[in-house]
Amino acid sequence: GNSVTQMEGPVTLSEEAFLTINCTYTATGYPSLFWYVQYPGEGLQLLLKATKADDKGSNKGFEATYRKETTSFHLEKGSVQVSDSAVYFCALSPPGSSASKIIFGSGTRLSIRP
Amino acid sequence: NAGVTQTPKFRILKIGQSMTLQCTQDMNHNYMYWYRQDPGMGLKLIYYSVGAGITDKGEVPNGYNVSRSTTEDFPLRLELAAPSQTSVYFCASSTTGDPGNTIYFGEGSWLTVV
Repeated sequence: GNSVTQMEGPVTLSEEAFLTINCTYTATGYPSLFWYVQYPGEGLQLLLKATKADDKGSNKGFEATYRKETTSFHLEKGSVQVSDSAVYFCALSPPGSSASKIIFGSGTRLSIRP
Repeated sequence: NAGVTQTPKFRILKIGQSMTLQCTQDMNHNYMYWYRQDPGMGLKLIYYSVGAGITDKGEVPNGYNVSRSTTEDFPLRLELAAPSQTSVYFCASSTTGDPGNTIYFGEGSWLTVV
């Protein structure tokens, strides 16, 4: 079946460090892939997405590339800020399915030290 | 900008009690969803609705009921609360069922059943 596995947290980094949060998936065909972020006291919000292999999603300095060969969608940022402290969720949508079929990972909590 | 509003934020229930989690959105979205997130796990869909008067089960509907009498409101009813329903609950909405469209989430409701 379809599933998403992301690295366990918490991840703690110093400001301006390089960030990678790993996400791998299992799915039939070519799912759409997403990263959602939940800032403290707020709901989840879409950070970026990619809908086909080799696509790169980007937003707010974050990037993730859809890698079919490694079934991965790792989230990266070159220089993190304290304001990036949040919980990050990787998610996939099976091909041709509706939003009701989105599968979410367990979330990775990121804390950035000043 | 209200977006998706859910209440209460925190609640402690005794085993066997019932309660309703309220959810309302002011974006005129057709699709609404209820998810639960257990510790260390991803979000799991409980119920969803594609419009007023139409609801459908998600992955984990047992022990819950929903109704959708208006476009704005999508309450989640817990009947005969059990410790297994201790979780964080998220309400969400989107314009259509296309997973590529942004899904807007509420801030979450923390429920403990003792």
